[in-house]
Amino acid sequence: DIQMTQSPSSLSASIGDRVTITCRASQSISNYLNWYQQKPGKAPKLLIYGASSLQSGVPSRFSGSGSGTDFTLTISSLQPEDFATYYCQQTYSTPWTFGQGTKVEIK
Amino acid sequence: QVQLVQSGAEVKKPGASVKVSCKASGYTFTSSGISWVRQAPGQGLEWMGWISPYNGNTKHAHNLQGRVTMTTDTSTSTAYMELRSLRSDDTAVYYCARSYSVHFSRYFDYWGQGTLVTVSS
Repeated sequence: DIQMTQSPSSLSASIGDRVTITCRASQSISNYLNWYQQKPGKAPKLLIYGASSLQSGVPSRFSGSGSGTDFTLTISSLQPEDFATYYCQQTYSTPWTFGQGTKVEIK
Repeated sequence: QVQLVQSGAEVKKPGASVKVSCKASGYTFTSSGISWVRQAPGQGLEWMGWISPYNGNTKHAHNLQGRVTMTTDTSTSTAYMELRSLRSDDTAVYYCARSYSVHFSRYFDYWGQGTLVTVSS
């Protein structure tokens, strides 16, 4: 199985900060990498697919990059509604595994 | 608009079975797969498996093989996930999600609201 490792597990940031979350795959997954945002009590929401494609309706302050084994999610200017937990997911091969999550909290 | 509406919360005893439904609307049901994902209290997301409503093909997570069955009813655009021999560590919110594939990408773009399954004696 492909293991997905996110870092950090949590971070504290202020409104307006640039935030970067990294995700590393245990083997190459090409660009079969997705990012989701989850708020408490809610279903996950797709932000980025194919490593760098922005899902329709998602603000342009979210961006994704990377290929192979190393990927990043960047929030260019953190907004109040962005405080949530973020998950990466590989869909290169089954089982389609998720990272352990990164919780973004208010500083 | 695409919607996935799941069945309501369940409380089950250890050893019992649970069957969760996921009714799709707003798109052609057979054009995309359905995945099931669960989340134990305070924990991360765990992919359970996938089914193609088009031909019934399935893929499952290794640790659930033999205990989980995924089916679809194309006449009602509904997907089902049955989990047997329930244990306390199966207590979780269970989500269905549309698994959309496009050139060199595969992702979960629409999710159900989640179904809480509690396993307790």
